[in-house]
Amino acid sequence: EAGVTQFPSHSVIEKGQTVTLRCDPISGHDNLYWYRRVMGKEIKFLLHFVKESKQDESGMPNNRFLAERTGGTYSTLKVQPAELEDSGVYFCASSQFDGGELFFGEGSRLTVL
Amino acid sequence: GEDVEQSLFLSVREGDSSVINCTYTDSSSTYLYWYKQEPGAGLQLLTYIFSNMDMKQDQRLTVLLNKKDKHLSLRIADTQTGDSAIYFCAEVLLSGGYNKLIFGAGTRLAVHP
Repeated sequence: EAGVTQFPSHSVIEKGQTVTLRCDPISGHDNLYWYRRVMGKEIKFLLHFVKESKQDESGMPNNRFLAERTGGTYSTLKVQPAELEDSGVYFCASSQFDGGELFFGEGSRLTVL
Repeated sequence: GEDVEQSLFLSVREGDSSVINCTYTDSSSTYLYWYKQEPGAGLQLLTYIFSNMDMKQDQRLTVLLNKKDKHLSLRIADTQTGDSAIYFCAEVLLSGGYNKLIFGAGTRLAVHP
């Protein structure tokens, strides 16, 4: 069974540009989460989807970040326009049910120059 | 507040025991987790403990929980070079009826001969 996959694994962009990160959860997992780790600090919660609905987006830093999960399958996280402080590793995770084990992807490393 | 604290770095000799410590803030957390991140990989659930337990042992791993002090530790017996990784402590918070994981900054474990 395929695990959580994320694309791209690494993206280097200039300040002001746009980047879209994609996450494919494990098939059948209704819960999808985005987390971010900035500069070796703690892994911070960004948001949580239940199917296609945003259950909790309290961790989204600002309105430059837009997450979608159309159809309740894969999810995208768009950063527009990117700023230097957005650099970090963006992790996606999925779980079959709330409170179940989270399965993480390998992360997408974003570098903003 | 949501805050999970860990020391950032630990170096041990192969064959020795490693102890990674963590403090958390929410006394109502039902579960506490240890995740492992190997180089170039995603986060992998290593072990967890229910909040009504003091200790959990799983082969070379021992988790100790002190609820009064909100202190969690992970002991790895007979540490091997393959144990070199970043270890993240996480607590579960209930948010809007759903569980949310709050992570620490991770402890980088280096195992040397």
